[in-house]
Amino acid sequence: DTGVSQDPRHKITKRGQNVTFRCDPISEHNRLYWYRQTLGQGPEFLTYFQNEAQLEKSRLLSDRFSAERPKGSFSTLEIQRTEQGDSAMYLCASVLAGYNEQFFGPGTRLTVL
Amino acid sequence: GENVEQHPSTLSVQEGDSAVIKCTYSDSASNYFPWYKQELGKRPQLIIDIRSNVGEKKDQRIAVTLNKTAKHFSLHITETQPEDSAVYFCAAGGNNRLAFGKGNQVVVIP
Repeated sequence: DTGVSQDPRHKITKRGQNVTFRCDPISEHNRLYWYRQTLGQGPEFLTYFQNEAQLEKSRLLSDRFSAERPKGSFSTLEIQRTEQGDSAMYLCASVLAGYNEQFFGPGTRLTVL
Repeated sequence: GENVEQHPSTLSVQEGDSAVIKCTYSDSASNYFPWYKQELGKRPQLIIDIRSNVGEKKDQRIAVTLNKTAKHFSLHITETQPEDSAVYFCAAGGNNRLAFGKGNQVVVIP
């Protein structure tokens, strides 16, 4: 499968724990996005990278959230001190330079107990 | 920032009829308007998109129209089939960032 992949697909954690998700974009896609999606809502922008540079971060994003893309390929999203309100599907998408189409991964479903 | 709204939230159509979903956006600087289809438990997938220099685009049974003056765009699905049942998201933005609507649940009744 040469599409966007995400790991893990499901994560259950207790409130207060830290979690980390990984996204592997399509090869050669230079832009990478993170979104959060809750039931009945569309994807909500969190942050995006162009190569290894994090160019924008949503103002709604708590400082408990951090993302990295150290070598301009895969990216990680970490949530510290998780809260029940963090329960959602976390989607990653990648884009090829010069194009607009965002290709989504299957998502990581986070449940915070 | 950009704000995108979709109407109606749920749409039921008889198989073979047409379905129309409308979206409005707020930022006149937005120049890219994609539509995504998301089936239950699956990732969103692009079905059609349009840029601001074009008023209409068609791909087989799917078409999108854009009215820049009124800041709204619509998805048209003709000859609907059961496999068209899904949630459809519109989005608006530029080269770097998209804002998504809340989605429309389309149910095609056989």
